[in-house]
This record gives sequence, C-alpha cells and structure tokens, in this order.
Amino acid sequence: GAGVSQSPSNKVTEKGKDVELRCDPISGHTALYWYRQSLGQGLEFLIYFQGNSAPDKSGLPSDRFSAERTGGSVSTLTIQRTQQEDSAVYLCASSLGLGFAEQYFGPGTRLTVT
Amino acid sequence: ILNVEQSPQSLHVQEGDSTNFTCSFPSSNFYALHWYRWETAKSPEALFVMTLNGDEKKKGRISATLNTKEGYSYLYIKGSQPEDSATYLCAFGYNKLIFGAGTRLAVHP
Repeated sequence: GAGVSQSPSNKVTEKGKDVELRCDPISGHTALYWYRQSLGQGLEFLIYFQGNSAPDKSGLPSDRFSAERTGGSVSTLTIQRTQQEDSAVYLCASSLGLGFAEQYFGPGTRLTVT
Repeated sequence: ILNVEQSPQSLHVQEGDSTNFTCSFPSSNFYALHWYRWETAKSPEALFVMTLNGDEKKKGRISATLNTKEGYSYLYIKGSQPEDSATYLCAFGYNKLIFGAGTRLAVHP
C-alpha cells in the first residue's frame, strides 16, 4: 500500500518568507508526527497529533512554527518568517495509534533558507 | 533532559564482516526502544520496537538485544553486505521519540 508522502521534496526560500510543508499519512493511521534533522544533528521531535485530541506541541522550537491536521488525515507544517537556522530536513511519520507503535516515515522535505 | 547516545559514530567494514553498534538511553522510566535504518535518499525504515528487558529481536541477518536495567541496546549485523550501508538510528520514548545521532555504516565490497 501507499506509504507516507511529503511535498515538496525540496524547498528553497528566502529568509523572512513563510513556507508550508505537507504530509499525507498512511490511510487509517491515527497518529501523525513531525520531526526535523538539522545539519550535523539527530532527528528532533516537533509535534504529534492523535485523532481528535489536542496535539503535543512541546517540540516546536518557536512560535513561528505551527501545524495543523485537517480531517484527521493530511497535515501541514507552517514556518513563518523563516530564518537560516530553520534549514533542515523535515520528516513526517504516522502510526496506528500512540505509545509503542512503530512509526512509518515519509521521505522528508529538505528546506533551505537563503 | 533525556539523552540517547550511539556509538560508534561511523564504521567501515568489509563485506562478510559481522559488526555491532551500541545505543545508550536513560534506564529510569523506560518505555520503548526503536531501531531504524536510514539509507541515503530514502525514508527511515523501522527495524525493531523493543519494550521488555532481555528482549531479543531478529530480522534476517540483523538482530538486537535490550537491557533496560543498565540502559543499553545492541544491534548486530551478521555477514555485512554492501546493501547494509546506511545510518542506523535508535530512538527512546513513548509517543514522541528521542533519537540518537546514529551510527553510519559503510560496507565495502
């Protein structure tokens, strides 16, 4: 079946612009996660959604970052007024519920802020 | 702050060699330990989710063990092949995962 998809695969933007990154999870997966990997760093948790519950936003690095998940499926991560330190690979994952469930990752969006 | 450490940072082996890596994590309040393989230009692929002390899991030539009391997990690859070349990540947690920096494995023919 179809895996997690993300778009765009690459995004180059100028400092100060807003960007939107999209994630399509695996059908039927109720939990959706966003992570990022900055250059030379490990994967860093940003936010997760589970069903209709309030998302856990504890990993978002600043109030310039926000995410939403519409209809319990597609998610959009928005970065406002991008900064150079926002340059990273942004990965989305989904799973069948929370807890110990295996997380299935998408291919990522490489964001470069110039 | 929870910290997950992986060693070595990188490893070069010859085809046919067996190898292993280490993942260290907090031994208190253990939830689960995940292993992932991340090949260049691909998505991270889940290998194992381990939840019980003493767990041993195996998938083909790859196996993993878990010691929650002392806070470590080992990943073993038997008879490495060039297609095993990837970054191997471990992650600790419940819901939101805390990842180590990974071990980059290169298997040379």
